[in-house]
Amino acid sequence: EEQLVESGGGLIQPGGSLRLSCAVSGLNVRNSYMNWVRQAPGKGLEWVSVIYTDGSPYYADSVKGRFSISRDNSKNTVFFQMSSLRVDDTGVYYCVRDRRPAGIDLWGQGTLVIVS
Amino acid sequence: DAQLTQSPSSLSASVGDRVTITCRASRPINNYLNWYQQKPGKAPRLLIAAASRLQAGVPPRFSGSGSGPDFTLTISNLQPEDFATYYCQQSYTIPPWTFGLGTKVEIK
Repeated sequence: EEQLVESGGGLIQPGGSLRLSCAVSGLNVRNSYMNWVRQAPGKGLEWVSVIYTDGSPYYADSVKGRFSISRDNSKNTVFFQMSSLRVDDTGVYYCVRDRRPAGIDLWGQGTLVIVS
Repeated sequence: DAQLTQSPSSLSASVGDRVTITCRASRPINNYLNWYQQKPGKAPRLLIAAASRLQAGVPPRFSGSGSGPDFTLTISNLQPEDFATYYCQQSYTIPPWTFGLGTKVEIK
């Protein structure tokens, strides 16, 4: 069974750093577009970052220069290093697999990041 | 960037109604347009991929159409379990990829 399990969220002060992990099972991260999507409390979905199959990373303008996506193929895990955190980075962070053009068909349960 | 303008932001409807939600892309996205349903406290669920491909397990009362720049999600014969928030999303362009702002479907 394909599964994504996020961890690493929590309460952090503004300016701090946090690293999220996404443990992947049932699929190979190196063959997938792995993304992070976030949702602020009571707000809509916001695409944040993707790591392509060739390892190329891309970011939303709101996090560029502060956040970094990476993966460990041997551990089949995706990481999201978040630095210089701001209050408006607060939200649930979902690890997701995008099967473009077939959409995001696999979501983790989400991990809550609170910057306060 | 290809921005997505989703409308309306909310609507009220009754069980049995037909509901239409629209998403307009600011640039060509080659039908890489997907629709999601999200209920409170849950992760979103993919309903329609590539503009019109109904996902396995999704009731056929959901349908998607359009070929750019305007795309449409239609729910015919609205059911109680369909009251939720719906989002469009594109992943065609070089990132950043984008979501629409969402449409909340409420009970009239």
